[in-house]
Amino acid sequence: NAGVTQTPKFRILKIGQSMTLQCTQDMNHNYMYWYRQDPGMGLKLIYYSVGAGITDKGEVPNGYNVSRSTTEDFPLRLELAAPSQTSVYFCASSYSPGADTQYFGPGTRLTVL
Amino acid sequence: KQEVTQIPAALSVPEGENLVLNCSFTDSAIYNLQWFRQDPGKGLTSLLLIQSSQREQTSGRLNASLDKSSGRSTLYIAASQPGDSATYLCAALRSNDYKLSFGAGTTVTVRA
Repeated sequence: NAGVTQTPKFRILKIGQSMTLQCTQDMNHNYMYWYRQDPGMGLKLIYYSVGAGITDKGEVPNGYNVSRSTTEDFPLRLELAAPSQTSVYFCASSYSPGADTQYFGPGTRLTVL
Repeated sequence: KQEVTQIPAALSVPEGENLVLNCSFTDSAIYNLQWFRQDPGKGLTSLLLIQSSQREQTSGRLNASLDKSSGRSTLYIAASQPGDSATYLCAALRSNDYKLSFGAGTTVTVRA
């Protein structure tokens, strides 16, 4: 049982490049989330999903896109990377948002130069 | 909009001292309050979850209290150890949309 896995661990992008951050969970959770964490700040919700085929925006969705074709995978796409997207990105999943905690992946540290 | 604040931002204590970490939130319409631990370069690990109907939750040396009416939660760590050094984040789950609002965290250093 690996929990929530994320790849890559680190990445440096040039301004204007695109990339996909991968997230997979093996706990059969319906709910999945993408957060970003900037230095000295709390985590901010980018996008979330309540099940395969269903996604919705969080607090800071601009510059990102998501898809959810399976229960296990929830990739985050960055189009036209900007320096403001330099951050640490965390994927999380939960069984039930009210009764259960969220389980987090190890994070992807992204730098845009 | 839910604002979650954690003060102080950093704390350094000698080994064996009890730790008291504070969390305040502006909107009392929460479903639960959660405490997480984050080690450098790692993801978040859940420590305690307190439902809105509860006053406290305990796990080993950790005890968390919740006072919804005053918008406060406190995490107590008894007899601190160097292994407790980490950043501790609290997060409030909003009742209206089941989303977490996070504080910025308190970074704890326990000196041997």
